[in-house]
Amino acid sequence: DTGVSQNPRHKITKRGQNVTFRCDPISEHNRLYWYRQTLGQGPEFLTYFQNEAQLEKSRLLSDRFSAERPKGSFSTLEIQRTEQGDSAMYLCASSFGQGFSSNYGYTFGSGTRLTVV
Amino acid sequence: DAKTTQPPSMDCAEGRAANLPCNHSTISGNEYVYWYRQIHSQGPQYIIHGLKNNETNEMASLIITEDRKSSTLILPHATLRDTAVYYCIVTGTASKLTFGTGTRLQVTL
Repeated sequence: DTGVSQNPRHKITKRGQNVTFRCDPISEHNRLYWYRQTLGQGPEFLTYFQNEAQLEKSRLLSDRFSAERPKGSFSTLEIQRTEQGDSAMYLCASSFGQGFSSNYGYTFGSGTRLTVV
Repeated sequence: DAKTTQPPSMDCAEGRAANLPCNHSTISGNEYVYWYRQIHSQGPQYIIHGLKNNETNEMASLIITEDRKSSTLILPHATLRDTAVYYCIVTGTASKLTFGTGTRLQVTL
């Protein structure tokens, strides 16, 4: 297993266009997370899946954002009608856990850097 | 999740121990202390975590005070490759990690 894979690594898009990012987690991990990171800041939580169920969404995740994990494996994050403020690094992470707490560290991917022009 | 406080930056000479402090005075009994680091242009990397006992792995040691209100991450022999932003996170849930701005550690020759 090569870890958490994110594609594409870089995406430049024009304002108003839709973009979709993909995350392939570590195969035995049942939990998957999306984060967003802007320059000089720590990553900010966006949403979290356990298997195929989306269990939590941040208020940062506006109606233009949607995430799916259809078969409990890979996940996609779509941003509709992109705005310049959406420019950021989008990070995916996965972990294995049971119950209400995770005793295992998260493994992050290298991220997708989005630039909206 | 409990709020954490870290110094914005620290320097360490290569080969010396790097001791990175973190205050988490409002930590609850079921919350863990996690440490991650982020090297430029990469995703965060898990280092270590603990509940109340000190922990050690191949990367680092984690010392948690008896009252659990603060902790220290120790990199025993820092190298240039340890230059990164180090995040201390306290959480009791599986759903998310709340990152602050971390400590920027600069390891120098």
